[in-house]
Amino acid sequence: GAVVSQHPSRVICKSGTSVKIECRSLDFQATTMFWYRQFPKQSLMLMATSNEGSKATYEQGVEKDKFLINHASLTLSTLTVTSAHPEDSSFYICSASDAGLVTYEQYFGPGTRLTVT
Amino acid sequence: EDQVTQSPEALRLQEGESSSLNCSYTVSGLRGLFWYRQDPGKGPEFLFTLYSAGEEKEKERLKATLTKKESFLHITAPKPEDSATYLCAVQASDTDKLIFGTGTRLQVFP
Repeated sequence: GAVVSQHPSRVICKSGTSVKIECRSLDFQATTMFWYRQFPKQSLMLMATSNEGSKATYEQGVEKDKFLINHASLTLSTLTVTSAHPEDSSFYICSASDAGLVTYEQYFGPGTRLTVT
Repeated sequence: EDQVTQSPEALRLQEGESSSLNCSYTVSGLRGLFWYRQDPGKGPEFLFTLYSAGEEKEKERLKATLTKKESFLHITAPKPEDSATYLCAVQASDTDKLIFGTGTRLQVFP
C-alpha cells in the first residue's frame, strides 16, 4: 500500500516552454500533497504544500507564478513549471499523506528529472 | 528554529561491519521523526516513524531509536544492497511539513 506515482519520470524541454508534472496517490486518498526539489547530492527542499480543493502554500523564496500547483482531487496533484529556464533543471519529487491514517508519514513518488535546454 | 543535522555525511563499511547513523534535531514540539532510504535517481522510501523518546523500531538489518535530542539508525551486518542515502526528517506538532537533514551516504563493500 501507500504507492505514489509521478509522470513523466524524465522530461527535456526548451527554454521558455512550460512543463506539467503529475503526482498520483494510487491506493489511498491524499488530502495533502507536497512538492520538493532536490539538487545533486543535496537534501530535499520543500517548495509547496497543497491541500485538495484549496490554494497551495508556497515556501519562502518559491515563485508561485512560476511553479503552479493544482490539487484537483484526493488522488492527483500537478506541478507546472512555467517559462522554464536552465536554472529550473532539477529533480522534482512529490509526496502525499494518507488521509485515512493518523501516523503522519509522507509517501514519496519516484521523482521527475527535468532538464531545460 | 527547527533543525535536523545528520552525521556522518558519508560512511563506508565492509559487508558485515555494523555501525550507526546519527540524526540530531531541535524542534518545537515533536510530532514524529522519520527515517527514509533514497537510492540514486529515486524518491525516498519510507522506513520508520518514531514518536516518543525511548521508542525503537526494527526492520530486517535496521533498527531506529529515539531520544529527546537525537535518533540513531543502527545497521547490523550490512550487505551491499543496503548502500543508499539515509535521510532523517522531523515534523513539528503544529505543521504537516517535514524538515529533512542532509542525509548520510552509506556504501557497503563486499
